[in-house]
Amino acid sequence: EPEVTQTPSHQVTQMGQEVILRCVPISNHLYFYWYRQILGQKVEFLVSFYNNEISEKSEIFDDQFSVERPDGSNFTLKIRSTKLEDSAMYFCASSAQRNYGYTFGSGTRLTVV
Amino acid sequence: AQTVTQSQPEMSVQEAETVTLSCTYDTSESDYYLFWYKQPPSRQMILVIRQEAYKQQNATENRFSVNFQKAAKSFSLKISDSQLGDAAMYFCAYRYTGTASKLTFGTGTRLQVTL
Repeated sequence: EPEVTQTPSHQVTQMGQEVILRCVPISNHLYFYWYRQILGQKVEFLVSFYNNEISEKSEIFDDQFSVERPDGSNFTLKIRSTKLEDSAMYFCASSAQRNYGYTFGSGTRLTVV
Repeated sequence: AQTVTQSQPEMSVQEAETVTLSCTYDTSESDYYLFWYKQPPSRQMILVIRQEAYKQQNATENRFSVNFQKAAKSFSLKISDSQLGDAAMYFCAYRYTGTASKLTFGTGTRLQVTL
């Protein structure tokens, strides 16, 4: 069964550093998403991406965040200057056109120290 | 804005018994999808079951079934013959039918399965 692959599975970074979280969505999917889950809390939407541009973003997705699909297969989330409160599990997801199903990756646990 | 409410932070069920997890939602849309996701300790998000709002028939997937009440905006999950591997966080989620629309999650219900 096709999978969404996320790397790394766990990343520790110092406050103020830039991090890039990587995702390889399912190859025939066209819509891509990032969600985050702070430990013990609910899953929150960050951003959706379609046709090489952001479709929707939440209030969490401020100027510190950016997304990119640099080479047609990878989908990245960049946090420019990490803060302690960015520590969370970050999930990538993808879906096919008009398909209401999402497939989530296994997540990247980001720890900011 | 759409909201999803799960009023049971924790539930417990004995192995082989049946348990029902509750979910209510609020939306002004008429066409949408509803989902239950399972999150085991590994924290991966696993789709358990989904329901299209235009379908009156309740979705079923093996031991998992839903009770979808559109007028009441209620979407409960029933797990029959509970197994130890069912222990996890369960999240209810909503998505309207726009092509790139986001999922809105509830706060989750932690299910414990006891012997």
